[in-house]
Amino acid sequence: EPEVTQTPSHQVTQMGQEVILRCVPISNHLYFYWYRQILGQKVEFLVSFYNNEISEKSEIFDDQFSVERPDGSNFTLKIRSTKLEDSAMYFCASRNRGADNQPQHFGDGTRLSIL
Amino acid sequence: LAKTTQPISMDSYEGQEVNITCSHNNIATNDYITWYQQFPSQGPRFIIQGYKTKVTNEVASLFIPADRKSSTLSLPRVSLSDTAVYYCLGGPGTASKLTFGTGTRLQVTL
Repeated sequence: EPEVTQTPSHQVTQMGQEVILRCVPISNHLYFYWYRQILGQKVEFLVSFYNNEISEKSEIFDDQFSVERPDGSNFTLKIRSTKLEDSAMYFCASRNRGADNQPQHFGDGTRLSIL
Repeated sequence: LAKTTQPISMDSYEGQEVNITCSHNNIATNDYITWYQQFPSQGPRFIIQGYKTKVTNEVASLFIPADRKSSTLSLPRVSLSDTAVYYCLGGPGTASKLTFGTGTRLQVTL
C-alpha cells in the first residue's frame, strides 16, 4: 500500500537555526497538509496546500513557517528561526483528488527537538 | 465543524469486541464522521468514515443512527496491537483541515 514518507525521522537543531522537514506524499495525491503534535497534546493543523499554493493555514503557521513543493514529488516545511516551543512531532499528510470524503493519509512524522 | 465528545479512555481484554461511542450533537447536514487511530510516535491512520447507517471494512464497523448525533466505532476481537488512541472527527469530508480532539485511549490487555 502506498504511503507518505517523511525525513528525517528525528531532527535536533539549535534554537534560532533554520530547519527543513521533508515529505514525499503518495504519488497521485494532489492535496498536501502539515500538522504538528506537541508531546502529550492534540494533533494541530498547520497548513494545507493545493495547486502550488496555500489553501488554508492556522494561527500557528506564522511568518516563520513556509511550505514548498520544489518538484513533482517532495513537499517541504521550513521553519526559519526555530524556537524552543517548536519542538514537536510534525506530520505530513496527503489526499487524493475526488470526493470530499477521500481520507487524508499521514506519514509517521519527524520529531523536531530544539535545544 | 462538528464538536465531538468521546471517552478519554477505555480498557479491554484481548479477544473482546470494543465499541467506542462519539457524540456530535451539532453535526451539519454535509458532515462526515471519520475515525483515525494513532500509535505512539506514529502518524494518525485512517480507519473508517461514514455519513449514515452502517459502514464496514476489514478493520472496523461504524454505526451512525438516523439522527446522526452520535456514532459508534466497533472493533471486533481486539488484540494487544489495537492499543492506541482513537479519534472521532466530524466535518465536511477530509478535504479541509482535520480537527483532532484528545481521542479515546484504548488499552488492551491479556
